[in-house]
Amino acid sequence: SQQGEEDPQALSIQEGENATMNCSYKTSINNLQWYRQNSGRGLVHLILIRSNEREKHSGRLRVTLDTSKKSSSLLITASRAADTASYFCATVWRDDKIIFGKGTRLHILP
Amino acid sequence: DTAVSQTPKYLVTQMGNDKSIKCEQNLGHDTMYWYKQDSKKFLKIMFSYNNKELIINETVPNRFSPKSPDKAHLNLHINSLELGDSAVYFCASSRGGRETQYFGPGTRLLVL
Repeated sequence: SQQGEEDPQALSIQEGENATMNCSYKTSINNLQWYRQNSGRGLVHLILIRSNEREKHSGRLRVTLDTSKKSSSLLITASRAADTASYFCATVWRDDKIIFGKGTRLHILP
Repeated sequence: DTAVSQTPKYLVTQMGNDKSIKCEQNLGHDTMYWYKQDSKKFLKIMFSYNNKELIINETVPNRFSPKSPDKAHLNLHINSLELGDSAVYFCASSRGGRETQYFGPGTRLLVL
């Protein structure tokens, strides 16, 4: 399978702690995207990082990309209850094909 | 204003029936998609259209037929519904094939 694989599948942390999720993939990509999905809702785009970029920030989110290791990480700092959701990475191939991973279910404990 | 909308939100139907799901985007995007998310939350692309032209057609039974009457609409028609078609179907749009996607709220299909 060429899809991105998130790790871990599930993560529970205390509110205020940092959460790190990883995504690995198997083939060359044009860009990698992270999305959040709250229960019963559609996916919401978080960050797009291109293959020539190594790090991007957006508020409390930090995404890194290591094309030599074919992996990316999403860091959420100072987690809040509202961050409880599933997080997906999506890899966009050179031919514009997009493949979503199976997601990491993040639960923020009060 | 809702950027990507889908109707209906819920769809409960009997096996063998034919049903349609509609999708509209008001973002002026050129590319629209249909995804299927199964009970394990695995999201799989089904179709992609660019300016009303079919670009991606994944391995999907030919009972599924997308139709794009114009750039802002991409509908999904499903013939002879089967139990395994039960899932959440998401429509999405983007400026181009490699860009950020904007998802609709999903249509929860239950086939009895």
